[in-house]
Amino acid sequence: EPEVTQTPSHQVTQMGQEVILRCVPISNHLYFYWYRQILGQKVEFLVSFYNNEISEKSEIFDDQFSVERPDGSNFTLKIRSTKLEDSAMYFCASSAVGSGYTFGSGTRLTVV
Amino acid sequence: AQKITQTQPGMFVQEKEAVTLDCTYDTSDPSYGLFWYKQPSSGEMIFLIYQGSYDQQNATEGRYSLNFQKARKSANLVISASQLGDSAMYFCAMTPFGNEKLTFGTGTRLTIIP
Repeated sequence: EPEVTQTPSHQVTQMGQEVILRCVPISNHLYFYWYRQILGQKVEFLVSFYNNEISEKSEIFDDQFSVERPDGSNFTLKIRSTKLEDSAMYFCASSAVGSGYTFGSGTRLTVV
Repeated sequence: AQKITQTQPGMFVQEKEAVTLDCTYDTSDPSYGLFWYKQPSSGEMIFLIYQGSYDQQNATEGRYSLNFQKARKSANLVISASQLGDSAMYFCAMTPFGNEKLTFGTGTRLTIIP
């Protein structure tokens, strides 16, 4: 069964450093998303991406965040200058017209 | 704007019993989709079941069924014959039709007791 692949599974970074979280969506999906889940809390929407541009973003997705689809397969989330409160599980998801949303297994980001 | 409410932060259920996880929603969209996801302790989000707002029948997937009551704006998940492996967080989520973002509830932590 097709799956969404996220790397790395865990990342520890120092406050102020840049991180890039990587995702390979399902190949025939056209809609891509990033969500985050702070430990023990609800899953929050960050951004959706379609046709090589952001289609919607939440108030969490400020200037410190950016997304990119650098080639035909990868979808990345960059956090420019990490803060302690960016520590969370980050999920990538993809979907196609008429299909459900498939989530990756997540990247656990710890900012120290 | 859409809102999902899950009022049960935690539930304990005896193995082999059926369990109902509550979910109510609020939306002004005329059509929408409702989802349930399972999140085990390992952290991944596992899709369980989907219900479209225009579907006349309640969705079923194996031991999972969705009790959809549109007038009450509720979409409860029913797990029949619970198993120890069902212990996990369960999230209800919704989206308008059209591949828009999912809005999640706060989740219910289900623990199955042997």
